[in-house]
Amino acid sequence: NAGVTQTPKFRVLKTGQSMTLLCAQDMNHEYMYWYRQDPGMGLRLIHYSVGEGTTAKGEVPDGYNVSRLKKQNFLLGLESAAPSQTSVYFCASSYFYRSVETDTQYFGPGTRLTVL
Amino acid sequence: AQSVTQLGSHVSVSEGALVLLRCNYSSSVPPYLFWYVQYPNQGLQLLLKYTSAATLVKGINGFEAEFKKSETSFHLTKPSAHMSDAAEYFCAVSGGGTSYGKLTFGQGTILTVHP
Repeated sequence: NAGVTQTPKFRVLKTGQSMTLLCAQDMNHEYMYWYRQDPGMGLRLIHYSVGEGTTAKGEVPDGYNVSRLKKQNFLLGLESAAPSQTSVYFCASSYFYRSVETDTQYFGPGTRLTVL
Repeated sequence: AQSVTQLGSHVSVSEGALVLLRCNYSSSVPPYLFWYVQYPNQGLQLLLKYTSAATLVKGINGFEAEFKKSETSFHLTKPSAHMSDAAEYFCAVSGGGTSYGKLTFGQGTILTVHP
């Protein structure tokens, strides 16, 4: 199993450009998440999905959109990139076993995005 | 609302010394608590988690943490540090009654291990 993979690993954008980050998991997990990591702030939830075809907003959703057309994939889009979106983006997934609140989230290796 | 505070953004220890990373939480409901580790240029990996069973939780790589409700703490310890323990450590809390397993993370603590 590859676990959780993210594409691309690095990206540099100019202000106003758009891009899509791809997250894929091969563990048949129902739940998927997108976080951003900024120095001194830990990880903050951007959007999440509780199943194929469903998405919802997290703590910091502004400027981002997501889609989950297939169970194994969760896409994060930036429509018009801004320097404030310079960050490291992590995707995670979890399997609903007994309680979603105690299930382990498995993280991808991250995408480092710089917006100039 | 839930929150996590990690005391000390940087901790430095000598190889073989005790590792103590501090985490305090705030939660209006019984919390579930997690410690994750992030090695350089990698994603987060679960070290251990507290899910209301035993208050002393043992994790991977010799780490353990004790849930203390009276102190609202979940400190991470390891008796003897190894060079390979150098990483960033995150404490996180869930249990806010959501349907999607919302995790609230602390700010992170960078552990440096000196030879």
